[in-house]
Amino acid sequence: KAGVTQTPRYLIKTRGQQVTLSCSPISGHRSVSWYQQTPGQGLQFLFEYFSETQRNKGNFPGRFSGRQFSNSRSEMNVSTLELGDSALYLCASSLATGNTEAFFGQGTRLTVV
Amino acid sequence: GENVEQHPSTLSVQEGDSAVIKCTYSDSASNYFPWYKQELGKRPQLIIDIRSNVGEKKDQRIAVTLNKTAKHFSLHITETQPEDSAVYFCAAMVSGGYNKLIFGAGTRLAVHP
Repeated sequence: KAGVTQTPRYLIKTRGQQVTLSCSPISGHRSVSWYQQTPGQGLQFLFEYFSETQRNKGNFPGRFSGRQFSNSRSEMNVSTLELGDSALYLCASSLATGNTEAFFGQGTRLTVV
Repeated sequence: GENVEQHPSTLSVQEGDSAVIKCTYSDSASNYFPWYKQELGKRPQLIIDIRSNVGEKKDQRIAVTLNKTAKHFSLHITETQPEDSAVYFCAAMVSGGYNKLIFGAGTRLAVHP
């Protein structure tokens, strides 16, 4: 079956702009989580969505937001971009219940200049 | 707060040797502990996981041990091969947090022929 698909793969944005990233989970998976990966901070949890509802949120400012659609596809949005937002953004899909494998997408590499 | 510490940050071994990576978690109610391997430019991929009702799990050359009392778990790779070279991340699933994973900072493993 198809894996987790993230688009776009690469993005270059200017400070102050906003950006939207997309994630299509594995068919049948209803949970989508988002992580920010940077060399200095590793993988940091952003938020998790299930059935169009945010179930968990990490310690990121309100500029980071997300949503999930009825087909389980998810988007995350970052507004008023800062240089420090440059990172690899990974999404992961899982079955509805916890304690199961999270399958990661290839990620979107965001560069803020 | 929720935290996972991982050691060492870098590990260099000769082909055929064993490698051990250790992690400690803070949330005593965590009950799922996956290990991910991330090769350069690729997505993290699950290599093994363990649940809190199990003390040890093995899959060919890879094994994971869990000590709930001490709140630590370890990854053991035997007979290492050059293709084992990658960054390895441990993680703990937060109790009641559904699919929220707290990751360690990663271990860069280099296996030299």
